[in-house]
Amino acid sequence: SQQGEEDPQALSIQEGENATMNCSYKTSINNLQWYRQNSGRGLVHLILIRSNEREKHSGRLRVTLDTSKKSSSLLITASRAADTASYFCATDASNYQLIWGAGTKLIIKP
Amino acid sequence: EPEVTQTPSHQVTQMGQEVILRCVPISNHLYFYWYRQILGQKVEFLVSFYNNEISEKSEIFDDQFSVERPDGSNFTLKIRSTKLEDSAMYFCAASLQASNQPQHFGDGTRLSIL
Repeated sequence: SQQGEEDPQALSIQEGENATMNCSYKTSINNLQWYRQNSGRGLVHLILIRSNEREKHSGRLRVTLDTSKKSSSLLITASRAADTASYFCATDASNYQLIWGAGTKLIIKP
Repeated sequence: EPEVTQTPSHQVTQMGQEVILRCVPISNHLYFYWYRQILGQKVEFLVSFYNNEISEKSEIFDDQFSVERPDGSNFTLKIRSTKLEDSAMYFCAASLQASNQPQHFGDGTRLSIL
């Protein structure tokens, strides 16, 4: 697989449940970022976690990073209908470019 | 969320024609990027730009592509002779620094080549 692969590809849950998405990557990184993309819109930055960090929180979002396994997870707690979107992880292949995964399409059912 | 503005939102062009996609980055951000996303596929890096120079470019960014910052505010991507496979969403992004900083994206330009 290529740098920044998410799983699952699609996830459908009931409103109020927690959603967990995973990302794996291949090469060493300085940081890993998670972004959200609503249909037809741009990418919105959610969280950046540096390679020396293991966990980071932002509101209902929790990101973990395991550099030994080259993987990260994004947890959204108490999901809402407005969380329906595609979620992407991106790793820095260099100082300038981000390498993106294929994304997880999250659907929150009311 | 800081705002990066892209115009037009949708561009339809005949194959072989030139297109210019425009972006107004966040005023105090110094690093600029172009990405593209072909429908249903991954976001792909095209080019990064700092201090009026290209910092890095991908294999996709061949001689048909160019970028410039003509007036200190707009940041443009030009495709000289478009091909059908150039049809995609093109995203502009900006960041304060090169590394360990989030990139802030515009809503993109949908480019359709006929």
